[in-house]
Amino acid sequence: AQSVTQLDSQVPVFEEAPVELRCNYSSSVSVYLFWYVQYPNQGLQLLLKYLSGSTLVKGINGFEAEFNKSQTSFHLRKPSVHISDTAEYFCAVSDSRNYGQNFVFGPGTRLSVLP
Amino acid sequence: DSGVTQTPKHLITATGQRVTLRCSPRSGDLSVYWYQQSLDQGLQFLIQYYNGEERAKGNILERFSAQQFPDLHSELNLSSLELGDSALYFCASSLTLTPGELFFGEGSRLTVL
Repeated sequence: AQSVTQLDSQVPVFEEAPVELRCNYSSSVSVYLFWYVQYPNQGLQLLLKYLSGSTLVKGINGFEAEFNKSQTSFHLRKPSVHISDTAEYFCAVSDSRNYGQNFVFGPGTRLSVLP
Repeated sequence: DSGVTQTPKHLITATGQRVTLRCSPRSGDLSVYWYQQSLDQGLQFLIQYYNGEERAKGNILERFSAQQFPDLHSELNLSSLELGDSALYFCASSLTLTPGELFFGEGSRLTVL
């Protein structure tokens, strides 16, 4: 079974500063990796996904993530954050064979962008 | 707008009661998933349906049940409600069974008093 760790439950950062949200996973099989964002009072929205190919994945709103198989990580980065990036960010993993219960979310990281 | 519609958005009820949450997936999506989000448990997968059939089951209590109808909408039934069932319940849909992307609704917030 898969599991996802997001070590930082909260990350405060000043506007226009860079940010990195960390995600580590464990799995005995090959995986697909995702980052979702949840704005206040809204559902989850996909930021980006890694299925195969280039390990550097670019998503919406200027975010990118890098898949590192040896370190079993999929950290999310943005070079310059905006106030509007304040939200909860979830890393998720699924194995390549099935969805459903094998699609596991991390506990989330609350990003607070300060003026 | 993800295209996934959930009703009701908010629901307040008492312990011991039964409620039904409804989800309409994106047009063309065959797979529906239910998740529970609470402060202490995070996002927990409950159950998945594909084209009317149950395909995967997660941490769903026996007091909870779900189904997907021929028009592909889904309902999550929660019975004998307890205070601990208070949470945000999300429905998500995807086109197929294979991994790619889940499209989430805005959730139904259940408060059990």
